[in-house]
Amino acid sequence: QLQLHESGPGLVRPSATLSLTCTVSGGSIRDTSDFWDWLRQAPGKGLESIGTINYDGRTYYNPSLKSRVTISVDASQNQFSLKLTSVTAADTAVYYCARHTSRGPYDPWGQGTLVTVSS
Amino acid sequence: DIQMTQSPFFLSASVGDRVTITCRASQSISSYLNWYQQKPGNAPKVLIYGASSSQSGVPSRFSGSVSGTDFTLTITSLQPGDFATYFCQQSYSGPYTFGQGTKLEIK
Repeated sequence: QLQLHESGPGLVRPSATLSLTCTVSGGSIRDTSDFWDWLRQAPGKGLESIGTINYDGRTYYNPSLKSRVTISVDASQNQFSLKLTSVTAADTAVYYCARHTSRGPYDPWGQGTLVTVSS
Repeated sequence: DIQMTQSPFFLSASVGDRVTITCRASQSISSYLNWYQQKPGNAPKVLIYGASSSQSGVPSRFSGSVSGTDFTLTITSLQPGDFATYFCQQSYSGPYTFGQGTKLEIK
């Protein structure tokens, strides 16, 4: 059974870079039918897709965040990562990693990790 | 971006009731519409994909339908565990976007 788990700092200073890693278990990140995603949910708010990557490193970023986002994959570790630069309080959210297949739903999801941007 | 307009924002109902939640896409998305249930402190869980296909393990009281760009999630015979927040999401074109959510509360 495929499982995803986010890890990274829970507190990031304003203007710094947020870095998170998602570890995939129970399956291979090299599966060519899979896309690996980052999403976020601000407290009490809705869901926003940040971007996606596939096994060979092709990415798609949400245009609203594109200038600040980098998603990368480390197939040898079965992990993919998120970097979000120049963070502000508006980036405070629960960050989720997830998987989707082409035009399919996000499934499964990681449990989510709360990242707070504060000095 | 494709806008997903979900309604209502809040829904109050009783155990045993039948409820419907709707989602309208700002343009055609074929049937690339998914429904999720989210409980406090948990990640969303997919209930319905492709507008009307039930995810494995989801009770049959959850169903989805489509008419043009209007999508409906129907829950029949509400159970106590169904009181949660529900989101629609289009997977037709990037960025994939979500509806604002419907919080289903116990009356």
